Amino acid sequence: QSALTQPASVSGSPGQSITISCTGTSSDVGVYNYVSWYQQHPGKAPKLMIYDVSKRPSGISNRFSGSKSANTASLTISGLQAEDEADYYCSSYTTSSTWVFGGGTKLTVL
Amino acid sequence: QVTLKESGPALMTPTQTLTLTCTFSGFSLSTRGVRVSWIRQSPGKTLEWLARIDWDDDKFYSTSLKTRLTISKDTSKNQVVLTMTNMDPVDTATYYCARTGDYAYWFDPWGQGTLVTVSS
Repeated sequence: QSALTQPASVSGSPGQSITISCTGTSSDVGVYNYVSWYQQHPGKAPKLMIYDVSKRPSGISNRFSGSKSANTASLTISGLQAEDEADYYCSSYTTSSTWVFGGGTKLTVL
Repeated sequence: QVTLKESGPALMTPTQTLTLTCTFSGFSLSTRGVRVSWIRQSPGKTLEWLARIDWDDDKFYSTSLKTRLTISKDTSKNQVVLTMTNMDPVDTATYYCARTGDYAYWFDPWGQGTLVTVSS
């Protein structure tokens, strides 16, 4: 199972919006609505930000939103804040009953 | 409050067998729907799902690593154990355990992770 494809880096200024894409295949992102997104700050464990493509866990800001079209999922962060600077990873369940992750995207808040 | 914590050796030599323990609290693996997964992160930050065990002892493994992995649980101790045989320097990574959503497909929360270095 190949990794999902994410841009290596994105950046934005405080208050702006950014979108991170996550491209998979018809065996993962394209077939299930089981895409999740994780935020990871340096030295910390990943934290769930979005699940089932677009749902937010309790306590996660509504500045974070998710969507999907065909084999590509997206994470959008609006109203960028300094604390959003982190690595972001997408993940999808697959037809092999396994999970696959993206390579990660480093978000820099300028 | 749900918490998980990984434990295991920090340093290994090639060909050894790794045994990692995930000790958790705030939930029970005897409760219908509960699941726990192991995930690792390489020094280059790539995340890789390794294995999952369910409340009913169903087990699932990474396609590429399944010949080397064994996952098990001790419900009375609130622990999940992962063994990986024939360790190699490319297996150097931070190993995480995470609660996997009940009848769902996300990981939350994750443990703090434990770094395992494989070197001769």
